[in-house]
Amino acid sequence: EAQVTQNPRYLITVTGKKLTVTCSQNMNHEYMSWYRQDPGLGLRQIYYSMNVEVTDKGDVPEGYKVSRKEKRNFPLILESPSPNQTSLYFCASSFEGRQPQHFGDGTRLSIL
Amino acid sequence: SQQGEEDPQALSIQEGENATMNCSYKTSINNLQWYRQNSGRGLVHLILIRSNEREKHSGRLRVTLDTSKKSSSLLITASRAADTASYFCATDGSGSGNTGKLIFGQGTTLQVKP
Repeated sequence: EAQVTQNPRYLITVTGKKLTVTCSQNMNHEYMSWYRQDPGLGLRQIYYSMNVEVTDKGDVPEGYKVSRKEKRNFPLILESPSPNQTSLYFCASSFEGRQPQHFGDGTRLSIL
Repeated sequence: SQQGEEDPQALSIQEGENATMNCSYKTSINNLQWYRQNSGRGLVHLILIRSNEREKHSGRLRVTLDTSKKSSSLLITASRAADTASYFCATDGSGSGNTGKLIFGQGTTLQVKP
């Protein structure tokens, strides 16, 4: 089954404790992206990757890191999480950027 | 500011009625997409309409695009309770190359009452 898998689905943690949200897709997509969804602000792109070893900033990259060492994986790293990063995060993938994107089920992060 | 803005923000109808949601955007586009999000889940792609298309159908969905007005509408006919969800339009700026930067509106929350 074609899917984008995010882990964990839920996480409550404390300020400053490094965390990684994993994202994996099994569709051989070249393009992958991270979004955060906040009430009243909609979905905003954090980082995207057009291929292995190619990543670039989206609209709200501050406080986040990503890497794309393999085509299928695109982890999101919060080196020193802060409460303003409490949000619902989505990973998405597609064959190329403008094509319909497949979304994971989301990761709800709470940073205390 | 958001590229795509949906209207209305919330819509409540009875099962069997039609639901119409509108999306306005600011810059020229290559395509416009509509997505659905069920509560607590990821977005699911519904339909893509290219800038040179005016109307597109998929099952009970009908999407129109008016590039002169920079607007699109999504019509769901004969709605069902299972259509209850949030609906988002997403646009790509035609000057953005192929960065895939989709800009999402804030969505329309549709409730279909049985």
